[in-house]
Amino acid sequence: QVQLVESGGGVVQPGRSLRLSCAASGFTFSSYGMHWVRQAPGKGLEWVAVISYDGSNKYYADSVKGRFTISRDNSKNTLYLQMNSLRAEDTAVYYCAKGDIVGATTPGSDYWGQGTLVTVSS
Amino acid sequence: QSVLTQPPSASGTPGQRVTISCSGSSSNIGSNYVYWYQQLPGTAPKLLIYRNNQRPSGVPDRFSGSKSGTSASLAISGLRSEDEADYYCAAWDDSLSGLEVVFGGGTKLTVL
Repeated sequence: QVQLVESGGGVVQPGRSLRLSCAASGFTFSSYGMHWVRQAPGKGLEWVAVISYDGSNKYYADSVKGRFTISRDNSKNTLYLQMNSLRAEDTAVYYCAKGDIVGATTPGSDYWGQGTLVTVSS
Repeated sequence: QSVLTQPPSASGTPGQRVTISCSGSSSNIGSNYVYWYQQLPGTAPKLLIYRNNQRPSGVPDRFSGSKSGTSASLAISGLRSEDEADYYCAAWDDSLSGLEVVFGGGTKLTVL
C-alpha cells in the first residue's frame, strides 16, 4: 500500500532554515510527480511546490519562490523541501502528496502523507 | 485571497443534492483541468475528482464534477452525514509569474 511519511518539522526561529523529508513506499516513486502542500492552523490548503518524476521540472508558489527548494532522490524514494529564510506566515502543517498520473505533472494528488507541523516563532 | 473562488459554506439535509461552485479565470480553469478534494476533520485531503469529471477508484458515484468556461462545480447527491467536510477545488494557473497550482479557499459542507 502507498505510504508517505513526512519528517523534519518543528519549531524554528524566523530567518532560520529547515529541511523536510517525505519517505515514500508502496509505489514506483521514480514514476510520479510529487507535491508539497501546506495548511496553516484553521486555514485552507495552499500549494507550495511540485517536482516532476525525474526532477527536471520544478514549480513553486509565489509565496515561497526564492526561499524554498523542492528536490527528490529517486534512489532513496525520498522527497525533500529545503526551507530558508522562514517567516511566521510559513507556520503550517506541510503535506507531501503523490501525483495521480504516471509520468505527468498534474495538480492531482491521489495519496497524501499525514503532515508535519512547522512552527516559525521566536 | 484565493485565486479560485468558492463559497465558504454550504449545507443540505440527508438525501439532498448539493452543489459547490469554483470560479476562476482564463489562466486557470478556463484552460486547464479542475480537481476536487475532500478533507474530513483532522485528516489529510482526499482526491475526489480529477480532470474535471473523473472519479478515482473507490470514490462513490454520488460525487460528480463538471466544468464550463471559467467555472467548475462539484455535485454531491444522496447527501450523507459522512460527507460533512471541507471541499477544495484546484487547477494549474499559467500566469505572468509562471505555472503554479492554485486552490480555492475551501467550502465547509454541513449536513443538517
